[in-house]
This record gives sequence, C-alpha cells and structure tokens, in this order.
Amino acid sequence: SYELTQPPSVSVSPGQTARITCSGDALPKKNAYWYQQKSGQAPVLVIYEDTKRPSGIPERFSGSSSGTMATLTISGAQVEDEADYYCYSTDSISHHWVFGGGTKLTVL
Amino acid sequence: EVQLVESGGGLVQPGGSLRLSCAASGFTFSSYWMSWVRQAPGKGLEWVAHIKHDGTEKYYVDSVKGRFTISRDNAKNSLYLQMNSLRAEDTAVYYCARVVSGSYLDYWGQGTLVTVSS
Repeated sequence: SYELTQPPSVSVSPGQTARITCSGDALPKKNAYWYQQKSGQAPVLVIYEDTKRPSGIPERFSGSSSGTMATLTISGAQVEDEADYYCYSTDSISHHWVFGGGTKLTVL
Repeated sequence: EVQLVESGGGLVQPGGSLRLSCAASGFTFSSYWMSWVRQAPGKGLEWVAHIKHDGTEKYYVDSVKGRFTISRDNAKNSLYLQMNSLRAEDTAVYYCARVVSGSYLDYWGQGTLVTVSS
C-alpha cells in the first residue's frame, strides 16, 4: 500500500524557518497537499498541488516538491503556527487516499 | 460560506452499528465528491471513504471495506456513513470533508466522536 513518511516532530524558535518533509514513492507523479491541525480543531488546508497557497493562508507558508520528497516551509515561524502538520496525496491506481503520519511543530 | 456539520456519533458496543450524517450548505453539494476521514484519539488522520458527486463511484480504505457504506442524498445536501460490525479500533472522531478536483479536501466539518466500547 502507498505510504507517506514524515518526521514525528520539528522544533524551532520564533522567527526561524521550519521545514517539514514528506517522502513517498509516488510523489514524483502525484501532487502533495499539506494540512495544519491545531489542538482540538479540524484540519485546515495550507498548501495544495505542491506549491499553491489557499486564500487566507499567510505568505510565510510555502511548499515545494522534488523527486520523492515534498517539503512544507514556514518562513519566520510564529508561536501560533504550533500545530500538527499532515501531508496528503492520492494513489490513482487504487483510488486510495493517504495521509502522512503527521509532524508536531513546536515553536518556542 | 461553506459549512459541513456532522452528527450521529456516540457510544456503541463492539459489533454494533451507527449511522453518521453530514449536512452541507453554502455550495452546490451535488457538484462535489465528498469524503469521510477519521482520527483515533491521539493519532493521525486516516482517509476512510469517498463518493463521487452522483454516487456512482465509492472507494474505501481496506480496514472498513465490507463493513462501512458511504452514501449521499443530493436532494437533502447530505452525506452519510453507515458503520456496521464496529470494532474498538474504529473509535475516532469522524470528519466529513468536501473534495476538490476529485482528489483533495478543502473544507472540513468539526467532526463527530464515535466510541466503540463495552
């Protein structure tokens, strides 16, 4: 089955750049998406189609993808960015959709 | 404004059944694929199922195949998840989400908690 792998945790100080990676064999051919989930809340889409940012998402959030790895970058991370971040992609052969295991971002 | 409101969660015994509902508003429901995603306590997100805008195609994660059924009523702007033969490992918050371009989720409801326990 298709899998996406993320680091369990990333920690940065306020104002630093946070990078969260997501690796998967199908990523060279499939788009990656990123969701932010704060404690007790529903997930929010922060990046779609590898690099695009939905309206209302701060410019400090950006995405990139190269080969089998997609990366979510938060430039100048703020305390309010503390959350769990999940990458997501699809398997068009099986029609199964997959989330990475999630990365807990700590900003302090 | 897009709104998705789940209901129907609760406590159920192992082997029991439950039907979740998701009421949609603020968009043309019949034009979008829809999906269910769940999150076990303290765990990550897991895609459960999705359904085509007209209900003609349905896909499930292997762990629920044959036990769960996703359906929709476009006249009522509603999405459903019928869950049978429930197991302890089905305990989770279940989210309803709208699908964009047939492939990703843009709007999510606030979720409904399903607890399977004796």
